[in-house]
Amino acid sequence: SYELTQPLSVSVALGQTARITCGGNNIGTKNVHWYQQKPGQAPVLVIYRDNNRPSGIPEQFSGSNSGNTATLTISRAQAGDEADYYCQVWDSSTGVFGGGTKLTVL
Amino acid sequence: EVQLVESGGGLVQPGGSLRLSCAASGFTFSSYWMDWVRQAPGKGLVWVSRTNSDGSSTTYADSVKGRFTISRDNAKNTLYMQMNSLRAEDTAVYYCARSDRAGYNYFDCWGQGTLVTVSS
Repeated sequence: SYELTQPLSVSVALGQTARITCGGNNIGTKNVHWYQQKPGQAPVLVIYRDNNRPSGIPEQFSGSNSGNTATLTISRAQAGDEADYYCQVWDSSTGVFGGGTKLTVL
Repeated sequence: EVQLVESGGGLVQPGGSLRLSCAASGFTFSSYWMDWVRQAPGKGLVWVSRTNSDGSSTTYADSVKGRFTISRDNAKNTLYMQMNSLRAEDTAVYYCARSDRAGYNYFDCWGQGTLVTVSS
């Protein structure tokens, strides 16, 4: 079965840029989607199809996908961006999530 | 406003059964494929099951295949998950999620979740 690998945690200084990676075999050939989940809340879609933002998601969120790595980039990180972030793809008729990355804003 | 509201969670003994519901509003429910995703306490998201728009096609994660059944009633705008032969490892918050209409397989709307606890 297909696997997605994310770092357990990423830290970023306030106002700086955070990058969260999602590794998978030839992930560049798949559509990658990203979700933000804050404690006690349901996930929220922040990026779909590699680099598209849903309406209402700030421009500070962006994505890229190539080769074996997809990346979620959060520019000008704020305290409100602290959350768990999950990447997701679809493979062989099943949904696959990465293990999640906890973003800490220092 | 697009809304998904789950219900039916609770405490159940190992080997028992439970039926979850997800009431949809604010969109044309019958036009969308729908999924269930779960999250064990302190753990990550795990996809569980999907149904197409009319319920004629379903898929499951291997971990629940043969025990869980996804279904829907488009007249009632409601998604269901019948959970049988429950195990301790099924303990999780269960979310219903709407799949995008274009078929890119992302979840553009989530419910608030309902907690299922399997314990004696």
